Amino acid sequence: SQQGEEDPQALSIQEGENATMNCSYKTSINNLQWYRQNSGRGLVHLILIRSNEREKHSGRLRVTLDTSKKSSSLLITASRAADTASYFCATPANTGFQKLVFGTGTRLLVSP
Amino acid sequence: EAQVTQNPRYLITVTGKKLTVTCSQNMNHEYMSWYRQDPGLGLRQIYYSMNVEATDKGDVPEGYKVSRKEKRNFPLILESPSPNQTSLYFCASSPYSLGYGYTFGSGTRLTVV
Repeated sequence: SQQGEEDPQALSIQEGENATMNCSYKTSINNLQWYRQNSGRGLVHLILIRSNEREKHSGRLRVTLDTSKKSSSLLITASRAADTASYFCATPANTGFQKLVFGTGTRLLVSP
Repeated sequence: EAQVTQNPRYLITVTGKKLTVTCSQNMNHEYMSWYRQDPGLGLRQIYYSMNVEATDKGDVPEGYKVSRKEKRNFPLILESPSPNQTSLYFCASSPYSLGYGYTFGSGTRLTVV
């Protein structure tokens, strides 16, 4: 079962623009994670935000978390063509540590 | 370099021919897991392991087996592959803690004809 739902499903922007993608989840969480997947390749962990944090930065990435709305957003600033990928949010299943439940993903296309 | 290594990268096989996809990590992680990724269905967990000799079913375990005899290795076994097991498979590992993300392998694209 998928806990996270990303929005939009697809996003197309020009290099230099900012890209924002959103994730909504259903149950209470300990943390929320964002991953990137280049076409057909393995997922790469980008950033983890804990439930008691509201905002976190890593390079050009900014993640926010609103536990009252059960939502998170990932902002990529000054996008580059190399940022073209699918982005997934993931949360630990409410049954415990046994697994991460991944959202449906946002496909980001950054054009030169 | 810290990594999860999966082999093979691509595999085409015939229905019923047993196969093993290997997974090895060099980070001394306790937790390892297998996922499959299918269009429209996203990532679904097949099996996971909390530590050596501790494995358990995920969401879609039917038709798969795993073992965890050593901490670094977590092979995925398909005893009698069928076409509905055609998919992209990922192995992942993590320290046994909710505070860490997963490290994924590069994936194995399996086609069963």
